[in-house]
Amino acid sequence: DSGVTQTPKHLITATGQRVTLRCSPRSGDLSVYWYQQSLDQGLQFLIQYYNGEERAKGNILERFSAQQFPDLHSELNLSSLELGDSALYFCASSDGGLSPGELFFGEGSRLTVL
Amino acid sequence: EDQVTQSPEALRLQEGESSSLNCSYTVSGLRGLFWYRQDPGKGPEFLFTLYSAGEEKEKERLKATLTKKESFLHITAPKPEDSATYLCAVQAGNNDMRFGAGTRLTVKP
Repeated sequence: DSGVTQTPKHLITATGQRVTLRCSPRSGDLSVYWYQQSLDQGLQFLIQYYNGEERAKGNILERFSAQQFPDLHSELNLSSLELGDSALYFCASSDGGLSPGELFFGEGSRLTVL
Repeated sequence: EDQVTQSPEALRLQEGESSSLNCSYTVSGLRGLFWYRQDPGKGPEFLFTLYSAGEEKEKERLKATLTKKESFLHITAPKPEDSATYLCAVQAGNNDMRFGAGTRLTVKP
């Protein structure tokens, strides 16, 4: 158990809809990362937050947005969903300090868009 | 742009047959190179961090090495339970973590 909790584990929805994925980081970790993993692609970095502030941005679509709340949990909002958004979405956390550190991943949220 | 390339994409070994996985990278200001293991349907699990060229880390049947342009994950006498996808990632100056596409390892008994 990595200590990172993601909900929901599975989500099935229709094109055009909007969903919210939630992540609770490991206790004490200030930094949260979001990744997308499709069958034909590796882990694609979406966005990183540190203590409530956006720190780095990857290939995140404009239809997607995220935030990190004062209690450090994070949410990833996906809107106007398309079939191609079907993927595993992973959240990871780290202490986010100045030294590089390993990430601790949750079990992922599997999104299916029909 | 930062790039991480892993090879081969897939590798099938017989139990006990040692081999190496490669991770080549181009990144500005490397702060760390990481190896992770991912089982199907699960989140990646951390294995090693390497910080500078010449560094080596070992854990059971795995050994990771780092040069200025690439890293190798050596697997000695693998067992079926070593079957997984092995991911390489780099952390650069802006602190985000970029992953390669992974090498899918299958070890047959």
